[in-house]
Amino acid sequence: GNSVTQMEGPVTLSEEAFLTINCTYTATGYPSLFWYVQYPGEGLQLLLKATKADDKGSNKGFEATYRKETTSFHLEKGSVQVSDSAVYFCALRKSWGAQKLVFGQGTRLTINP
Amino acid sequence: DVKVTQSSRYLVKRTGEKVFLECVQDMDHENMFWYRQDPGLGLRLIYFSYDVKMKEKGDIPEGYSVSREKKERFSLILESASTNQTSMYLCASSFDTGFQETQYFGPGTRLLVL
Repeated sequence: GNSVTQMEGPVTLSEEAFLTINCTYTATGYPSLFWYVQYPGEGLQLLLKATKADDKGSNKGFEATYRKETTSFHLEKGSVQVSDSAVYFCALRKSWGAQKLVFGQGTRLTINP
Repeated sequence: DVKVTQSSRYLVKRTGEKVFLECVQDMDHENMFWYRQDPGLGLRLIYFSYDVKMKEKGDIPEGYSVSREKKERFSLILESASTNQTSMYLCASSFDTGFQETQYFGPGTRLLVL
């Protein structure tokens, strides 16, 4: 079946550090891949997405590249800020069928000033 | 901007009570979803609906039912609440124009069942 595995959290970094949150997936066919972010007290919001192999999604300084050969979609940011503190979810959607998303377990990120 | 609202941010209920969680979206989306979010488990899909009066079970439908009488409103019902249903519940909606549509989420309802 389809599944998403994220690196274990929580992750704590200092401001301006480099961030990587690993995400790997298992899926048949060619899924679309997503990163969602949940700020404290809020619902999830889409951060970025990629719909085919080698696509790079980017937003707010975050980037992730769809790597079919390694079935990965790692989230990166070159210089994190305190305001990036949140829970990050990797997700996939099958390339056919309904709109269901499959989420990873989430990674809590805390950035210290 | 798309807005998805949920009727309560926090709710405390007793075991055995019938609980209604309401979700409303204002963008005429066809699809609506109910998830529960638990630490270490991410989000798990309970039910979704792709049209008025239509529903499909998600991955963990046991103990829940849903109702969609109007396009903008999707209700999650706990027929007889139990302590293992204590969780954060998130509603989402999306257009149904293909497989690239973004899901938009509400702020969540944190439910405590005593």
